[in-house]
Amino acid sequence: EVQLVESGGGLVQPGRSLRLSCTASGFTSGDYAMNWVRQAPGKGLEWVGFIRGRTYGGTAEYAASVKGRFTISRDDSKSIAYLQMNSLKTEDTAVYYCTRGVGAGYFDCWGQGMLVTVSS
Amino acid sequence: EIVLTQSPDFQSVTPKEKVTITCRASQSIGSSLHWYQQKPDQSPKLLIKYASQSISGVPSRFSGSGSGTDFTLTINSLEAEDAATYYCHQSSSLPYSFGQGTKLEIK
Repeated sequence: EVQLVESGGGLVQPGRSLRLSCTASGFTSGDYAMNWVRQAPGKGLEWVGFIRGRTYGGTAEYAASVKGRFTISRDDSKSIAYLQMNSLKTEDTAVYYCTRGVGAGYFDCWGQGMLVTVSS
Repeated sequence: EIVLTQSPDFQSVTPKEKVTITCRASQSIGSSLHWYQQKPDQSPKLLIKYASQSISGVPSRFSGSGSGTDFTLTINSLEAEDAATYYCHQSSSLPYSFGQGTKLEIK
């Protein structure tokens, strides 16, 4: 069974850092792009960024709202994708989902989501 | 940046009714448009890929159409379990983007 499980969320103060992990199982994670999507409380979905699969160089792209503060990386030997979040702002408060991207297209598998709360 | 605008934002419907949700892109995206369903307190679930391609395990009452800038998600013979928020998503160009969502309430 294809599965994604996020971990590492919690409460963090503004300006601090936090790292989320997304552990994949049931497929060869290195063959796929891994995306991060977030959802602020009561709001819609916002694409955060993604990292390409190894066939496409493993490079990352980001939304303007997080570029320069967030970094996506992956360790395919452990089937884990990471979202390193620095200089966190209160507006980064959201449930963060990792998703499997198929080609340069749709997201066919989603994790359960991890709540990140940025507050003093 | 491509902006996706869904309509309506909210719709209250009765079971067995036919529902149509539209998604308009600010520029042409070909068929790189996908639909997701999100039920309360759940992760989104893929319903339709590339505008009209069905997904294994998704009930056949869900269908999609469109290309370019105008897209439609149709739910035939609505069931109570279809109460959810529906999102469109474009993967034509970066940054990827989602529509604002359409919430369906079942009367």
